[in-house]
Amino acid sequence: EIVLTQSPGTLSLSPGERATLSCRASQSVSRSYLAWYQQKPGQAPRLLIYGAYTRATGIPDRFSGSGSGTDFTLTISRLEPEDFAVYSCQQYGSSPQTFGQGTKVEIK
Amino acid sequence: EVQLVESGGGLVQPGGSLRLSCAASGSSFSDHYMDWVRQAPGKGLEWVGRIRNKANSYTTEYAASVKGRFTISRDDSKNSLSLQMNSLKTEDTAVYFCVRELRPDYSLGWFDPWGQGTLVTVSS
Repeated sequence: EIVLTQSPGTLSLSPGERATLSCRASQSVSRSYLAWYQQKPGQAPRLLIYGAYTRATGIPDRFSGSGSGTDFTLTISRLEPEDFAVYSCQQYGSSPQTFGQGTKVEIK
Repeated sequence: EVQLVESGGGLVQPGGSLRLSCAASGSSFSDHYMDWVRQAPGKGLEWVGRIRNKANSYTTEYAASVKGRFTISRDDSKNSLSLQMNSLKTEDTAVYFCVRELRPDYSLGWFDPWGQGTLVTVSS
């Protein structure tokens, strides 16, 4: 199965700053079938991005995804207070679908 | 808008059984694959299994960690999904999420929406 490794484990930033999160796959993700989710404490994950770069319905354009092959990135252009959360990537290019371990974006 | 609501979680002893349910509101439940994803305390997300739609004969697929112990079923007439968990182990302790799988083609897909989750604790 494809192992997804996210880095860094924790990102300490201030509101208004740019966040860059990495998701690296142990093998190439077919057709860039990669999604990103946001999860706040005690809540279910929320879909942000699918197909590596397509924003889900209602997701602000400060969230953007990029990458292909084995390297993918989620960028939050200017952090808003509500963006501090854990972000996880998921590949669905091959079975079984797998998730990264998550990156926590915390307030500096 | 589809909403998913899980129920049935609780405390169970190792070796015991538990059945989780997921009620879906909104249209098109029967069209989609439905999955269960779990999250152990303080850990990442783990796919548990899926059930395909009627067009794909309601076939199921499971993660290696639960295969042979867990069974997923659905009742499209009631917009409901179930997860029967047998021979539970302490490592099955997690929040279990019911999710809809959205597929770009005939491949696998991403998950949206998610239910709020139900906590299963396996402990003596």
